[in-house]
Amino acid sequence: NAGVTQTPKFRILKIGQSMTLQCTQDMNHNYMYWYRQDPGMGLKLIYYSVGAGITDKGEVPNGYNVSRSTTEDFPLRLELAAPSQTSVYFCASSFWTGENEQFFGPGTRLTVL
Amino acid sequence: DQQVKQNSPSLSVQEGRISILNCDYTNSMFDYFLWYKKYPAEGPTFLISISSIKDKNEDGRFTVFLNKSAKHLSLHIVPSQPGDSAVYFCAASDAGWGKLQFGAGTQVVVTP
Repeated sequence: NAGVTQTPKFRILKIGQSMTLQCTQDMNHNYMYWYRQDPGMGLKLIYYSVGAGITDKGEVPNGYNVSRSTTEDFPLRLELAAPSQTSVYFCASSFWTGENEQFFGPGTRLTVL
Repeated sequence: DQQVKQNSPSLSVQEGRISILNCDYTNSMFDYFLWYKKYPAEGPTFLISISSIKDKNEDGRFTVFLNKSAKHLSLHIVPSQPGDSAVYFCAASDAGWGKLQFGAGTQVVVTP
């Protein structure tokens, strides 16, 4: 099992550009999550999904969109990139909620200039 | 509104000694607590967890203690090893939703 994979690993965007961060998991997990981590801070939840076709906002959803058309994939879309979106983005998945650990991908480091 | 707080940004400990990491929370609805370990340029990896119905959970060198009345939990690592040098995040979730709230992390450095 590859677990949770994320692409790209690094990206530099200009202000106003858009991009999609890819996330795939091969563990057949129902739940998937997107977090961002700013320097010196903990991870903050952007969006999450409880299954294909179902998504909901987390703590910091502004400026982002998600979709979940399959169990395996959970892409995160940035429209009109802003310097405030410079961060490290982590995708995670879990089999179910409650007392169940989340498995994280290696992260995407995004810089918006 | 930071509901999970790790007030020590860093901790230095000698190899073989005990590392104690602390975490405080404000939301009494949290019912599940986890510790994650993170190396540079990698995603967090799960370390150990505890349910709110317990006050202690042990896994090898790692023990987590929960004091619900004080809204405080701690992670003990005994004995500390050089490979334990990493950032440790405390996280909490409520009502079975699985949405985690993370603390800011504690950087642990284990010296020879």
